[in-house]
Amino acid sequence: ETGVTQTPRHLVMGMTNKKSLKCEQHLGHNAMYWYKQSAKKPLELMFVYSLEERVENNSVPSRFSPECPNSSHLFLHLHTLQPEDSALYLCASSQGSGGDNEQFFGPGTRLTVL
Amino acid sequence: GEDVEQSLFLSVREGDSSVINCTYTDSSSTYLYWYKQEPGAGLQLLTYIFSNMDMKQDQRLTVLLNKKDKHLSLRIADTQTGDSAIYFCAESLWTDKLIFGTGTRLQVFP
Repeated sequence: ETGVTQTPRHLVMGMTNKKSLKCEQHLGHNAMYWYKQSAKKPLELMFVYSLEERVENNSVPSRFSPECPNSSHLFLHLHTLQPEDSALYLCASSQGSGGDNEQFFGPGTRLTVL
Repeated sequence: GEDVEQSLFLSVREGDSSVINCTYTDSSSTYLYWYKQEPGAGLQLLTYIFSNMDMKQDQRLTVLLNKKDKHLSLRIADTQTGDSAIYFCAESLWTDKLIFGTGTRLQVFP
């Protein structure tokens, strides 16, 4: 595997379910990100981890819970979601902080909340 | 505040040039990026430009930056059907954070 991978690619869940999204990067990067992409809205940054520590949380509801056990893996734990949480969730990684902030994106997980 | 705007749609004939525009508000941007998203795929970095440059060319892609007007454009020469996708511009500040536009859907017709 190369680059940034995400699983599952598609997920349908009910509002009472608990599920997790997984992201793995094979690039040796130190920073990882979760983004939410909804139709006709700008890409929204949800969480940033740098060296496995959360450095930014853009006021995301607590029903989304990130976990970064090591620099290669990032999870997004989901519970009691709402239909408006249906979106494409993108994971990205980068070498680190600073101006040359080239981020590499995974293919995303298409989430549908019923 | 931080805001990046793009027009939502662009339709061009195959072989013509496409120009996708983007405006941003934060004058402290360091790098500006163009990403491409094909259906069912994640974002792919196409090219980027440092804020002290005004032009960058990479094969069929030309990026123009007007820092005074905070305007960024991406020109695709000889547009092909395979260029049909959503194009996002993004700016970065001196952090890990990227601010993305809403994306421009480019449709190329024969």
